Amino acid sequence: QKEVEQNSGPLSVPEGAIASLNCTYSDRGSQSFFWYRQYSGKSPELIMFIYSNGDKEDGRFTAQLNKASQYVSLLIRDSQPSDSATYLCAVKIGSSNTGKLIFGQGTTLQVKP
Amino acid sequence: DADVTQTPRNRITKTGKRIMLECSQTKGHDRMYWYRQDPGLGLQLIYYSFDVKDINKGEISDGYSVSRQAQAKFSLSLESAIPNQTALYFCATSDTGQGRDTQYFGPGTRLTVL
Repeated sequence: QKEVEQNSGPLSVPEGAIASLNCTYSDRGSQSFFWYRQYSGKSPELIMFIYSNGDKEDGRFTAQLNKASQYVSLLIRDSQPSDSATYLCAVKIGSSNTGKLIFGQGTTLQVKP
Repeated sequence: DADVTQTPRNRITKTGKRIMLECSQTKGHDRMYWYRQDPGLGLQLIYYSFDVKDINKGEISDGYSVSRQAQAKFSLSLESAIPNQTALYFCATSDTGQGRDTQYFGPGTRLTVL
């Protein structure tokens, strides 16, 4: 079992719809969770991070964390064609202060006009 | 100016050549990382450094070496490049302040080994 798993997609949604991206992780001790967006050939850019159970909202983006079920999700409301990209989930494995992140393989999102 | 820079941005080389990729940052972060990314795959950690005197191997360090010349500089070397090292290479930095462990990436170096 991979430490961080994502459905590679592609996930296709129409413009204006809600896109839901999911990520599961294996280490119950994980404390920090991150969502990055990566356009083709470009570097990952941080969308948001979440540390506590529940929802965290930032504009059109909402991260949801459920530590008991070991999953973290990203919702994108009012999806735009410019949101078309690969979304990487990253998890800091364990509770030690190592700073290392483990990345999922990413989910490709396609938003169709 | 970009906070994390990488040079070169593109490099084509031949099997057996020694290659160095350089990373510089102006974010003042102590921690620096090197990743490689292959098409359709996530990021794989090659090496990471928490300060100038602390360097650690990542998941796929074989065939690579690193040097932390200063807090702001972290170089990745391929001693004898081979074709399966063809990939996109990213440098990243992080600190332990607010937004702890958030990593910030450079623009990447596209390396092709013929």
